[in-house]
Amino acid sequence: EMQLVESGGGLVQPGGSLRLSCEASGLSLSYFAMNWVRQVPGKGLEWVSAISTSGGDTKYSDSVKGRFTISRDNSENRLFLQMKNLRAEDSARYYCAKDRRGGRDLRGTAGYFDLWGQGTLVSISS
Amino acid sequence: DIQMTQSPSTVSAAVGDRVTITCRASQSISNWLAWYQVKPGKAPKFLIYKASSLETGVPSRFSGSGSGTEFTLTISNLQPDDSATYYCQQYSSYSPWPFGQGTKVEVK
Repeated sequence: EMQLVESGGGLVQPGGSLRLSCEASGLSLSYFAMNWVRQVPGKGLEWVSAISTSGGDTKYSDSVKGRFTISRDNSENRLFLQMKNLRAEDSARYYCAKDRRGGRDLRGTAGYFDLWGQGTLVSISS
Repeated sequence: DIQMTQSPSTVSAAVGDRVTITCRASQSISNWLAWYQVKPGKAPKFLIYKASSLETGVPSRFSGSGSGTEFTLTISNLQPDDSATYYCQQYSSYSPWPFGQGTKVEVK
């Protein structure tokens, strides 16, 4: 069974840092572009970041650009999200989501997400 | 950036009813639209791509239609397990890939 499992969430003070991880089982992530999507409790889904199969092409939403860094380790079948200078409005459940396709860059991807994890909760509070 | 707007925000219907959710794009996205089902504590589930193509394993009571700027998700013969929040997402533009604000479906 193909599965994505996120970890690394927790309670952090404003201005702090956190590194999220997403581990895949039952599939090789190296063939697919990957994404992070978040959901503030009681609110809607917000796309956060995307990375190409090789990791050479990345994109970010305006709300996290310059503070978050997406990366991947295909040899470990893992996706990461390094979050710095965290704000209260970053509090959310963070999901990793697999693109239907891969590509050397993100222009070659499908742009929709056919497998998701259950998410990891990030809370930013003093 | 393209904006996605869903309506209604909440819909309540009985088992066996038909429910229709509308998603509008701020500009034409052809048929580059996906639908997802989200339940609390569960991994979101991918339902439909290219506006009307059903993902493998998704029950046939789910269907999608539309093109350009207006799209619909229809759930026929509503079942208790269909209680969830449904989101549309456009993938016409190359980054970002926005979602609609969601429609909560309550099954009476």
